Amino acid sequence: DTAVSQTPKYLVTQMGNDKSIKCEQNLGHDTMYWYKQDSKKFLKIMFSYNNKELIINETVPNRFSPKSPDKAHLNLHINSLELGDSAVYFCASSQDRAWQYFGPGTRLTVT
Amino acid sequence: KQEVTQIPAALSVPEGENLVLNCSFTDSAIYNLQWFRQDPGKGLTSLLLIQSSQREQTSGRLNASLDKSSGRSTLYIAASQPGDSATYLCAALDRGSTLGRLYFGRGTQLTVWP
Repeated sequence: DTAVSQTPKYLVTQMGNDKSIKCEQNLGHDTMYWYKQDSKKFLKIMFSYNNKELIINETVPNRFSPKSPDKAHLNLHINSLELGDSAVYFCASSQDRAWQYFGPGTRLTVT
Repeated sequence: KQEVTQIPAALSVPEGENLVLNCSFTDSAIYNLQWFRQDPGKGLTSLLLIQSSQREQTSGRLNASLDKSSGRSTLYIAASQPGDSATYLCAALDRGSTLGRLYFGRGTQLTVWP
């Protein structure tokens, strides 16, 4: 069974569109994260939710809106996509400050 | 703000060599330090996690050490194999940070050739 899953794996869309990425974890963890990996492979945290409560909200454009319907799911909605949003987005989960388990990533390409 | 640096950025070695990957961090007040592996086009795989109170952790051919006072961690890979080829990332979890904020280095891209 996949521990942390994301859909879709690839996403190609045009500038100005709105898109969502979904993440699910079946590990029973209480904390979930969204990370962005840029073209230079640098990973940086975007958001973190603990028990459905927003904990970390980095300096991310407000076009990005996370939503956690329950502890096992954390979705990322992006409005008015821009070229600079092209990146790989990773979802992760952990129990408190223990190991973080990462999903396979969603490669977003904005044309 | 925590900054994590990894040296070298890339490493190419013949199969069988023992090698060391270096990671340094600017703020020694860390909760733990984690090492990950990333294969091309794939997600991150957790390798080792060292708590701030520990000096090292071992898993198979991998050994990670932590020296908080000097702000360094090393990942030692024994008897390297072509299957070890990947990018290795270290990440520090600050003690004072909001829950779960990991600071990543830019990684060391390792190539092990037969």
